Amino acid sequence: SQTIHQWPATLVQPVGSPLSLECTVEGTSNPNLYWYRQAAGRGLQLLFYSVGIGQISSEVPQNLSASRPQDRQFILSSKKLLLSDSGFYLCAWGEGGGNTIYFGEGSWLTVV
Amino acid sequence: SQQGEEDPQALSIQEGENATMNCSYKTSINNLQWYRQNSGRGLVHLILIRSNEREKHSGRLRVTLDTSKKSSSLLITASRAADTASYFCGSPTGNQFYFGTGTSLTVIP
Repeated sequence: SQTIHQWPATLVQPVGSPLSLECTVEGTSNPNLYWYRQAAGRGLQLLFYSVGIGQISSEVPQNLSASRPQDRQFILSSKKLLLSDSGFYLCAWGEGGGNTIYFGEGSWLTVV
Repeated sequence: SQQGEEDPQALSIQEGENATMNCSYKTSINNLQWYRQNSGRGLVHLILIRSNEREKHSGRLRVTLDTSKKSSSLLITASRAADTASYFCGSPTGNQFYFGTGTSLTVIP
């Protein structure tokens, strides 16, 4: 069966510091991968999605970036965090073609 | 951008009552899906309804879809305290997948 792992679960970072959140999927190949951000008590904002290695589509211009160095690995990064980057970040995977997507457990980021 | 809006934003009911939440969406869809999110956790898929379906059931869940009104509803019957969570509708558009703003459901024991 397929599983998705996301880490770290919680992160407190100072303003201006770098960020790296990692997500890996097991039990499938060539999945679509997604990064979402959820502000406290709010909906999900799609940040990035990827349909293959090295293929990244950005939904929202910001100081975040994403990379997919391997088929089942998706990384969310920032060179310099802003206070407004605080939130709950969720990775998800799906098989594409309008099918269901499945979420990791999320990473809480607090920028101080 | 978000695909839709859920209504109401928050709902509080007594255990045993039914809970209904609605979702309106903007663009044409192939299917619409409902997810549940417990506080501080990832989203869990509940049910998928295709654009050529009008109603679908899964246990205590009933989902309807009205493509002419671009709306869907999720009914949870005989609610339990464990149903307390946020509920989101979402739909794929090409390779993207967008969600609504969510309904926060509180079931009071």
